[in-house]
Amino acid sequence: AQSVTQLGSHVSVSEGALVLLRCNYSSSVPPYLFWYVQYPNQGLQLLLKYTTGATLVKGINGFEAEFKKSETSFHLTKPSAHMSDAAEYFCAVSSNSGGSNYKLTFGKGTLLTVNP
Amino acid sequence: KAGVTQTPRYLIKTRGQQVTLSCSPISGHRSVSWYQQTPGQGLQFLFEYFSETQRNKGNFPGRFSGRQFSNSRSEMNVSTLELGDSALYLCASSLAGTGKHEQFFGPGTRLTVL
Repeated sequence: AQSVTQLGSHVSVSEGALVLLRCNYSSSVPPYLFWYVQYPNQGLQLLLKYTTGATLVKGINGFEAEFKKSETSFHLTKPSAHMSDAAEYFCAVSSNSGGSNYKLTFGKGTLLTVNP
Repeated sequence: KAGVTQTPRYLIKTRGQQVTLSCSPISGHRSVSWYQQTPGQGLQFLFEYFSETQRNKGNFPGRFSGRQFSNSRSEMNVSTLELGDSALYLCASSLAGTGKHEQFFGPGTRLTVL
């Protein structure tokens, strides 16, 4: 079975500081990995995804994440936080145990607060 | 291109009642997935439909059911509502399924069970 662990349910940073949101996954097969963001009273929006190829993936709004197979991690970073980055962030893994039926499993989420 | 739409946005029901939620995917998307989001359990996968067939199912009781129509629109039904069913129900659509394809989420339906 696959699972996702997001370390830190709440992260607080100052505007302009580095953002680092941690995600570790477990999967018995090579996974597809995603980061989604959710603003209040809205659905989820994809920030970036890893499927195959380059392990450093760049997403929207200046975010990027690096897939590290040896560490089973997919941490999300942004060099300089902006007030508009305040939201809840979800790491997710999609994998299957055979056939073509995939299942998306989400972490519990990390609420990012950006202080002026 | 219009995004994923969900109706209604807010719903209040009482215990024991049943409810039907609707989701219209992005045009051309054949896969629709449903998720339940609660503060305690987070985002949990309910089921996925592809071309009118349920292709994958999460660990929810049989009171939760769904269907997909030929135009890819989907509905989910919850019968005999319990207080614990209060949640944000999110629908997501994608071109071909939940594998490596991005899922596009609707704004959700906020269900409150009294």
